[in-house]
Amino acid sequence: GQNIDQPTEMTATEGAIVQINCTYQTSGFNGLFWYQQHAGEAPTFLSYNVLDGLEEKGRFSSFLSRSKGYSYLLLKELQMKDSASYLCAVPYNFNKFYFGSGTKLNVKP
Amino acid sequence: EAQVTQNPRYLITVTGKKLTVTCSQNMNHEYMSWYRQDPGLGLRQIYYSMNVEVTDKGDVPEGYKVSRKEKRNFPLILESPSPNQTSLYFCASSLGGPNQPQHFGDGTRLSIL
Repeated sequence: GQNIDQPTEMTATEGAIVQINCTYQTSGFNGLFWYQQHAGEAPTFLSYNVLDGLEEKGRFSSFLSRSKGYSYLLLKELQMKDSASYLCAVPYNFNKFYFGSGTKLNVKP
Repeated sequence: EAQVTQNPRYLITVTGKKLTVTCSQNMNHEYMSWYRQDPGLGLRQIYYSMNVEVTDKGDVPEGYKVSRKEKRNFPLILESPSPNQTSLYFCASSLGGPNQPQHFGDGTRLSIL
């Protein structure tokens, strides 16, 4: 399988900014997804990057560097409801998907 | 409402007793996939299907079967379940292609005793 690395857990304060990193193998790259998964629920789509640079979507932004095999998800103005796991996913050979093990974000008051 | 529906949501069963987890989507999606999620391992792909009658192995297909006889349905079959298949299972669908986001069902928690 493909090696996709994310930190296991992070803690941040309400109102702050947090960056969640993801590294992946660059061979056969077809883009990178970020999903959010609240405890006990299904993952939901947040963002997709296929070109280098930053894509902003409200309080959430996602960055990609294809040459470095690196992406991050930036969450601004953190809210308590942002406490969840954030999953990085990469498609390989067009149809197979590999997910990182997820980063559990704890937002504290 | 656009959705992916899995059944059952929870199942406790015994080793060797064949079971089927159903998955249905109402979005006319071409691509469907099954994942299992285990603590510390994240989501791992079991099987996927690009279209009717087209299925292929994901990363962890051993012990599982699938079929895609109709576009909307993609059942997961465990012919002889074993305790190491105790897990949380998700079905997902998308329009198809590597750039399309997947829509996930609510999950099926399987316990094999």
